[in-house]
Amino acid sequence: DTEVTQTPKHLVMGMTNKKSLKCEQHMGHRAMYWYKQKAKKPPELMFVYSYEKLSINESVPSRFSPECPNSSLLNLHLHALQPEDSALYLCASSRENTEAFFGQGTRLTVV
Amino acid sequence: GESVGLHLPTLSVQEGDNSIINCAYSNSASDYFIWYKQESGKGPQFIIDIRSNMDKRQGQRVTVLLNKTVKHLSLQIAATQPGDSAVYFCAENPGNTGFQKLVFGTGTRLLVSP
Repeated sequence: DTEVTQTPKHLVMGMTNKKSLKCEQHMGHRAMYWYKQKAKKPPELMFVYSYEKLSINESVPSRFSPECPNSSLLNLHLHALQPEDSALYLCASSRENTEAFFGQGTRLTVV
Repeated sequence: GESVGLHLPTLSVQEGDNSIINCAYSNSASDYFIWYKQESGKGPQFIIDIRSNMDKRQGQRVTVLLNKTVKHLSLQIAATQPGDSAVYFCAENPGNTGFQKLVFGTGTRLLVSP
């Protein structure tokens, strides 16, 4: 299994909603990541979990709350988002010092 | 701040041509570089990587060259095919942290005409 699986593929939410993005991998990778990608822009790192501990938060607003329940799962909890938060949210995983594998992303629209 | 950039936003080639996509990086501490391919509506797909102790690495139809003197990275695709049409990103890992704190370049769109 060499896949990173993200659900849902598409999500439309209102500014008062609470929703969660989910990511799963079974490659035994101990590092997992959330990236945000706006249209026609490169992915930008949001969070890094290493061995299920938050290692990096790239000054992400608190309306985004990551969670790593175990070594295979990564969640991103969303609350009170703004329309400008609409983007493709990418999950990735890697072993130490090797390439990161990306999921297909969740296309989020905030209305 | 530190950044990774690309010289050409769009590259148009004919099927069968060789393609070269360039990338400049500015962080001299970066020790690991990756090329990703991203098709429309999909996540980035790993193509090839190279570490800073190498200057060339070859894969199937792809070659990555690293010139640390001028902080330049390139991706060569041999016999380009229509299926190679996508946006290509270079990415660097600015330091040995045990995980990939990747900084992506701006991306180059490769258009392959039949």
